[in-house]
Amino acid sequence: LAKTTQPISMDSYEGQEVNITCSHNNIATNDYITWYQQFPSQGPRFIIQGYKTKVTNEVASLFIPADRKSSTLSLPRVSLSDTAVYYCLVGSDRGSTLGRLYFGRGTQLTVWP
Amino acid sequence: EPEVTQTPSHQVTQMGQEVILRCVPISNHLYFYWYRQILGQKVEFLVSFYNNEISEKSEIFDDQFSVERPDGSNFTLKIRSTKLEDSAMYFCASSLSGGAVTDTQYFGPGTRLTVL
Repeated sequence: LAKTTQPISMDSYEGQEVNITCSHNNIATNDYITWYQQFPSQGPRFIIQGYKTKVTNEVASLFIPADRKSSTLSLPRVSLSDTAVYYCLVGSDRGSTLGRLYFGRGTQLTVWP
Repeated sequence: EPEVTQTPSHQVTQMGQEVILRCVPISNHLYFYWYRQILGQKVEFLVSFYNNEISEKSEIFDDQFSVERPDGSNFTLKIRSTKLEDSAMYFCASSLSGGAVTDTQYFGPGTRLTVL
């Protein structure tokens, strides 16, 4: 499993765009990049997943450069309710670790009014 | 939108007692998981369950832990003799298919277990 590195914390103000970058230098050919969000005292929630280039959904965008050694989660126009911990996970759909998700420390995003 | 539910939301128990944490996964999902999160620490995988048997378990999931799907809807985690260090938030999750990161897991709101 590829090790991931993300900033421990980030601060932003309401209405700003937030970009959280995750480094995964040892990503394997079959690996996908997935982001989860966790609010205090709640379970993690899937946000977005991608393999290469750009993926966008109603919540966020995920930018993955050609070398795939990093990825950036982009949250447009954040609000106070986006205050949460954001986790970057890297792994494949093959292998013996059936379904096990490895969560790191994540990035604590705090949005201020 | 379907969701994973867990009961109770908070369980307080004495050290050495048995506890059962209950989960109702999303109805058409086939893979079930338990994770835990000690206060201020990472979310840690405990066990995955498919086709009425454990698929994988972590080193945390020792003989004190067991899981069961007693009927078509519930999925339970039993801790036989609780220790102080079992105090944590326990999350149940389910997914439609199993694999690894590519299969979206849906997490419940958690049960906060406090062992005194």
